[in-house]
Amino acid sequence: SQTIHQWPATLVQPVGSPLSLECTVEGTSNPNLYWYRQAAGRGLQLLFYSVGIGQISSEVPQNLSASRPQDRQFILSSKKLLLSDSGFYLCAWSVLRENTEAFFGQGTRLTVV
Amino acid sequence: GDSVTQMEGPVTLSEEAFLTINCTYTATGYPSLFWYVQYPGEGLQLLLKATKADDKGSNKGFEATYRKETTSFHLEKGSVQVSDSAVYFCALRERGSQGNLIFGKGTKLSVKP
Repeated sequence: SQTIHQWPATLVQPVGSPLSLECTVEGTSNPNLYWYRQAAGRGLQLLFYSVGIGQISSEVPQNLSASRPQDRQFILSSKKLLLSDSGFYLCAWSVLRENTEAFFGQGTRLTVV
Repeated sequence: GDSVTQMEGPVTLSEEAFLTINCTYTATGYPSLFWYVQYPGEGLQLLLKATKADDKGSNKGFEATYRKETTSFHLEKGSVQVSDSAVYFCALRERGSQGNLIFGKGTKLSVKP
């Protein structure tokens, strides 16, 4: 069966420090991968999605970047964190087949201080 | 563009009460529709889905019917339990897209004993 791992679960980082969140998927090949952010009182905002190795699409301009160095690995990064980067970050995967849902990791709670 | 609107919360109910969380959508095509649930501190889990008009998704006593004529996918449960306390998200997935899910802002449900 397929599983998705996301870490760390919680992170407290000072303003201006770098960020690296990692997500890996097991049990499937060539998944579509997504990074979402959930800010307090707001819904889920799609940040990046990837349909293959090295292919990244950004949905919103921001202080973050994403990379996909391997088929089942998706990394969210920042060179210098801002206070506004605080939030709950969720990685997800799906297959590109109609009617299928996305499967989510457990999330990372990032607090920038 | 496509969008999802769901009723704002929080919603507070007593145990065994009837639950309705409204969800309407705007889409150019014929999307698949989903309800996800997020328990405190966790990622999102798929609760149910429907892929075409008049389909009814159901799981754990929850139901939602895909109504194309009213562009709605309201979530219902006849008798809620304390363990149903969570945030509920309505979402759609466009056909032929990269699999991106578009979410509503979420509705927080609290069930009191």
